Amino acid sequence: EPEVTQTPSHQVTQMGQEVILRCVPISNHLYFYWYRQILGQKVEFLVSFYNNEISEKSEIFDDQFSVERPDGSNFTLKIRSTKLEDSAMYFCASTKLLQGGTEAFFGQGTRLTVV
Amino acid sequence: AQKVTQAQTEISVVEKEDVTLDCVYETRDTTYYLFWYKQPPSGELVFLIRRNSFDEQNEISGRYSWNFQKSTSSFNFTITASQVVDSAVYFCALSSSGGSYIPTFGRGTSLIVHP
Repeated sequence: EPEVTQTPSHQVTQMGQEVILRCVPISNHLYFYWYRQILGQKVEFLVSFYNNEISEKSEIFDDQFSVERPDGSNFTLKIRSTKLEDSAMYFCASTKLLQGGTEAFFGQGTRLTVV
Repeated sequence: AQKVTQAQTEISVVEKEDVTLDCVYETRDTTYYLFWYKQPPSGELVFLIRRNSFDEQNEISGRYSWNFQKSTSSFNFTITASQVVDSAVYFCALSSSGGSYIPTFGRGTSLIVHP
């Protein structure tokens, strides 16, 4: 069964460092998302991406964040200068369609720890 | 604006008990989609079910059942004869055109099933 894969599963970084979280969405999906879940809290939307550009972003997704689809398969989230409060689980998701309410399939997450 | 409320933060039951997880949603759209996801201790988000606003038929899948009631804007999830492996955080989510079909999650309900 096709699945969304994320790497690494766990990343530890020093405050101020740049990190890149990687995702490989399901191959025939067209819409990609990043969500964040601070430990024990709700799953929060960060950004959606379609047709090689950001389609929606939340207020959390400030200038420190960027997304990219550098090739036909990878979808990355970059945090330029990490802060302690960026420590969270980051989930990538993809859907085949937008309308029609197709369910979003999530990766297993990357746990980011900023020290 | 769309909103999902899961009022139960944590539920604790003994194995074989039935348990119902509540989900109340808000949206102004007439077309919308509701989802349940399971987050086991390993952290990934596992899709369980999708429901669209035009289909109020309840669904049963093994020990899982879902009760969708538009009149009360609720989409409740019942686990029959709970098992220890059901222990997880369960999230209800909503997507609609007013929210650009981006899934909005509730805060989750942590279910603990004791042997």
